[in-house]
Amino acid sequence: QITLKESGPTLVKPTQTLTLTCTFSGFSLSTSGVGVGWIRQPPGKALEWLALIYWDDDKRYSPSLKSRLTITKDTSKNQVVLTMTNMDPVDTATYYCTYYDFWSGYYGYWGQGTLVTVSS
Amino acid sequence: SYVLTQPPSVSVAPGQTARITCGGNNIGSKSVHWYQQKPGQAPVLVVYDDSDRPSGIPERFSGSNSGNTATLTISRVEAGDEADYYCQVWDSSSDPLFGGGTKLTVL
Repeated sequence: QITLKESGPTLVKPTQTLTLTCTFSGFSLSTSGVGVGWIRQPPGKALEWLALIYWDDDKRYSPSLKSRLTITKDTSKNQVVLTMTNMDPVDTATYYCTYYDFWSGYYGYWGQGTLVTVSS
Repeated sequence: SYVLTQPPSVSVAPGQTARITCGGNNIGSKSVHWYQQKPGQAPVLVVYDDSDRPSGIPERFSGSNSGNTATLTISRVEAGDEADYYCQVWDSSSDPLFGGGTKLTVL
């Protein structure tokens, strides 16, 4: 059974750096074709893809946010970490961690999401 | 970058058929996936690879993809189908992007 869970701060101040951790079980990020992605959703708005990391450590970033994002993995801990610098109130959103099937190209499993509010 | 266009809203009476479109340049050459998101919940995959259903998804959910439009069709709509629906595409040359979402209202 595949599960993913996001953890991190619920409140950050403007200009601070956000660090979110995805802890997963039921799969290995060293298995060919496996990826873990981050997607966010501002309140009342659409899903926005942020970043992906693949089993071979290839990393992909949203072009509009690339300069602010870093995604890393710790295969031994079954964790993926996303950092986003220079947070702004417009970054207030629910952040989801997802299991991504590279060969099929879909997000098969999602975490419950974590709401991050950016406010002074 | 590649853009996916969905209608903001679709309304349908119970028992009728809902069709939600996802437009994109030559989208028929890509794999399209559909997600259902109910309020306060994470999205759930309901159709993948244009027209396949994950286990546990009712046969009422189907999909098609051709030319510049992919379509999610929900037959015999029920009140419980009321949700936001998102399309997502994949091909080997692009990142996995989402459409803007469609709110399905069951009248």
